[in-house]
Amino acid sequence: NAGVTQTPKFQVLKTGQSMTLQCAQDMNHEYMSWYRQDPGMGLRLIHYSVGAGITDQGEVPNGYNVSRSTTEDFPLRLLSAAPSQTSVYFCASSYSWGRGDTEAFFGQGTRLTVV
Amino acid sequence: QKEVEQDPGPLSVPEGAIVSLNCTYSNSAFQYFMWYRQYSRKGPELLMYTYSSGNKEDGRFTAQVDKSSKYISLFIRDSQPSDSATYLCAMHPRGTSYGKLTFGQGTILTVHP
Repeated sequence: NAGVTQTPKFQVLKTGQSMTLQCAQDMNHEYMSWYRQDPGMGLRLIHYSVGAGITDQGEVPNGYNVSRSTTEDFPLRLLSAAPSQTSVYFCASSYSWGRGDTEAFFGQGTRLTVV
Repeated sequence: QKEVEQDPGPLSVPEGAIVSLNCTYSNSAFQYFMWYRQYSRKGPELLMYTYSSGNKEDGRFTAQVDKSSKYISLFIRDSQPSDSATYLCAMHPRGTSYGKLTFGQGTILTVHP
């Protein structure tokens, strides 16, 4: 099992450019999420999905779009990059069991710089 | 004010020390509590997970939850240089999280030989 795979690992964008961060998981997890991590801010939820075809917004969704056409893939799209989107992005997948407990598995992250 | 507050440190301790990491939270709906460890330039990894008030022990690590005070702690005994990492607390309400976790800011820990 590869777990959660994110590509690319590093990316530099110019302001106004668009791009897609890829995330794939091979654990058949129902839930997938995107977080961004900024110094002193911890991880903040951007968007999440509870299954194929179902997505919803998290704490900081502005400037980002997501879709989930398959269980395995959950891409994050930056529509028009801004310097404020310079961050480290983490994709996570998780599952529930028993009483509804969950454990999130994280990818290795994508370091994005917008200039 | 953030729902979860965590002292970002940084915290520097000598090898063998007992480390205490803490988070406070304001949302009484939070019932499930986790500690993640994140090495430099890596993704977070689950370290401890608990949903009951009291202590949960796993080797050198002890997670403590006090729901009445809305306070959680992670204790590391006999700390090692390999424990040097960022430690993040995370939590969610009762039932499934649907992948939505609320994190603290993270505490940077360095254990020096």
